[in-house]
Amino acid sequence: KQEVTQIPAALSVPEGENLVLNCSFTDSAIYNLQWFRQDPGKGLTSLLLIQSSQREQTSGRLNASLDKSSGRSTLYIAASQPGDSATYLCAVSNNNAGNMLTFGGGTRLMVKP
Amino acid sequence: NAGVTQTPKFQVLKTGQSMTLQCAQDMNHEYMSWYRQDPGMGLRLIHYSVGAGITDQGEVPNGYNVSRSTTEDFPLRLLSAAPSQTSVYFCASSLGPGANLFFGPGTRLTVL
Repeated sequence: KQEVTQIPAALSVPEGENLVLNCSFTDSAIYNLQWFRQDPGKGLTSLLLIQSSQREQTSGRLNASLDKSSGRSTLYIAASQPGDSATYLCAVSNNNAGNMLTFGGGTRLMVKP
Repeated sequence: NAGVTQTPKFQVLKTGQSMTLQCAQDMNHEYMSWYRQDPGMGLRLIHYSVGAGITDQGEVPNGYNVSRSTTEDFPLRLLSAAPSQTSVYFCASSLGPGANLFFGPGTRLTVL
């Protein structure tokens, strides 16, 4: 059974810092990996989607990398801002049937002004 | 486009009551799914559908029923609510396999 772990569970940084969030998964036979953002009391917003054949994806100040063989992904946030404060979740899909995702527990990020 | 919509936003039930959580999307997505989010457990898949008339079970399907009569709608039914079903429920949709997943705003359900 696929298991997804995110470290750290919580992170507090001053504004302007570059930071890295980590995600690891136990079964490397994934179909894709997604990073989501969740604000308190809200739904999830997809940030980046990496297909199994890709190594990384970029969107603005966000860069996600994928190393399937080692079962790891990182989300890099450049020049963090207070508006980046949220919980970040990674999720993996092990098949292409129904987009069934296994989620990590999330990293709660606080960026202090 | 409204995206993925869910109703109600909040609901309180008594043990044994039944209810239906509504989910609709206007993006013509074939794939739809229901997740529940619990503290310390993360998000877990309840049921999913790959198209009208096709549904299947996820990781935690017990106590829940689904049907998919149209592409737009994917309701989740609780037949006899239990306190263990207290959770936040999210509906999600995507164009197909490997596509971005769009989530609704969630329904916060409390079962007393």
